[in-house]
Amino acid sequence: EVQLVQSGAEVRKPGESLKISCEGSGYSFTSSWIGWVRQMPGKGLEWLAVIYPGDSETRYSPSFQGQVTISADKSLTTAYLQWSSLKASDTAMYYCVRLIGAAGSFLFDHWGQGSQVIVSS
Amino acid sequence: QAVLTQPPSVSGAPGQRVTISCTGGSSNIGAGYDVHWYQQLPGTAPKLIIYGNSIRPSGVPDRFSGSKSGTSASLAITGLQTEDEADYYCQSYDISLSGCYVFGTGTKVTVL
Repeated sequence: EVQLVQSGAEVRKPGESLKISCEGSGYSFTSSWIGWVRQMPGKGLEWLAVIYPGDSETRYSPSFQGQVTISADKSLTTAYLQWSSLKASDTAMYYCVRLIGAAGSFLFDHWGQGSQVIVSS
Repeated sequence: QAVLTQPPSVSGAPGQRVTISCTGGSSNIGAGYDVHWYQQLPGTAPKLIIYGNSIRPSGVPDRFSGSKSGTSASLAITGLQTEDEADYYCQSYDISLSGCYVFGTGTKVTVL
């Protein structure tokens, strides 16, 4: 059974750094893309970034390029999302997702439980 | 960031049929990319309920169905049940801006 288990809720102040994690299991971690989707309070879903742990290739949404960094540790089958300087507008629920598909069809077939990030002074 | 447009809300009585539209453009749905649908129950993570425009994953009730035509797609729920009350999102791929996985604006389904 595919599982994506995320780290817990975090509260930080503006300007602080943060790294949240997502451990994948039940599938070949290095053979599937894994990434992150943001949901701000009361709002819709937004794709941030994905990484292919097999070769560490990354893809970012143009809206989030330079704002966050995605990484992965193959030995720990864990993906990460990090911020170097948080803003209040980063307050949101962040979901870890597995991306599958081929030309013409790309979808997020499994989702983690979500990591709540609150940025407040 | 959402480039796929959905109605903010739809409602229906138990047993009725409701449909949710997802309207895109020539760089996403109209370019031939598949549409997928997710259900988000209150306080939970989204769950895939339709992929490849019309295919239901194992375990998803057959009252959920999907279709695609031109630059739009639709999700239909027949025999609406109280447990179907949730937010629904469509998703596709957009070839503009170096490629992007895009979501719809989301639709709240209310069971009256």
